[in-house]
Amino acid sequence: RKEVEQDPGPFNVPEGATVAFNCTYSNSASQSFFWYRQDCRKEPKLLMSVYSSGNEDGRFTAQLNRASQYISLLIRDSKLSDSATYLCVVTGNQFYFGTGTSLTVIP
Amino acid sequence: ETGVTQTPRHLVMGMTNKKSLKCEQHLGHNAMYWYKQSAKKPLELMFVYNFKEQTENNSVPSRFSPECPNSSHLFLHLHTLQPEDSALYLCASSQDRTSGELSTDTQYFGPGTRLTVL
Repeated sequence: RKEVEQDPGPFNVPEGATVAFNCTYSNSASQSFFWYRQDCRKEPKLLMSVYSSGNEDGRFTAQLNRASQYISLLIRDSKLSDSATYLCVVTGNQFYFGTGTSLTVIP
Repeated sequence: ETGVTQTPRHLVMGMTNKKSLKCEQHLGHNAMYWYKQSAKKPLELMFVYNFKEQTENNSVPSRFSPECPNSSHLFLHLHTLQPEDSALYLCASSQDRTSGELSTDTQYFGPGTRLTVL
């Protein structure tokens, strides 16, 4: 079983839409969770950490569900510039990356 | 952003060549990492250095040889590579990394070296 699993998409949404991604992880002892964003042919960049109580940063909301072992990312009012691949990262004794979910926001 | 830099950005090499990838971090971090990213696959951790000491080697073939002369610099020496080694090689750094313990550090990535092996 993979450490981290994500739906690869692609998700194609119109501008202004709300879109949500989920990511499941296999190790119940995982402590830290992150969402990274990776633009085409660029390096991954930290988007936000995911805290147990959930956290929000502008249009982005991240949540953690330990019981079901998944994290989510919600993007409200999608912008064209949100088009990217979103990587779920979970830490155990190392960082485990998902394959990423591709998002395209359409005008 | 110039926190983590990598050179070269692009590299084309033959299977008999020897080349080196360089990574430098300007963040005062103590841990550095090499990852491989192939198309349609998740990032694969290759090596971890913590305070200049190699703490993890994820069963990487010996044709990849890392070197960490100090906490700010990391090299990946390449020799007799195969075409399937073509990928994006990413360097990352974090504040600290204690092997065998759960890490809560955030990693910061360099721009990567896109390697093509002919």
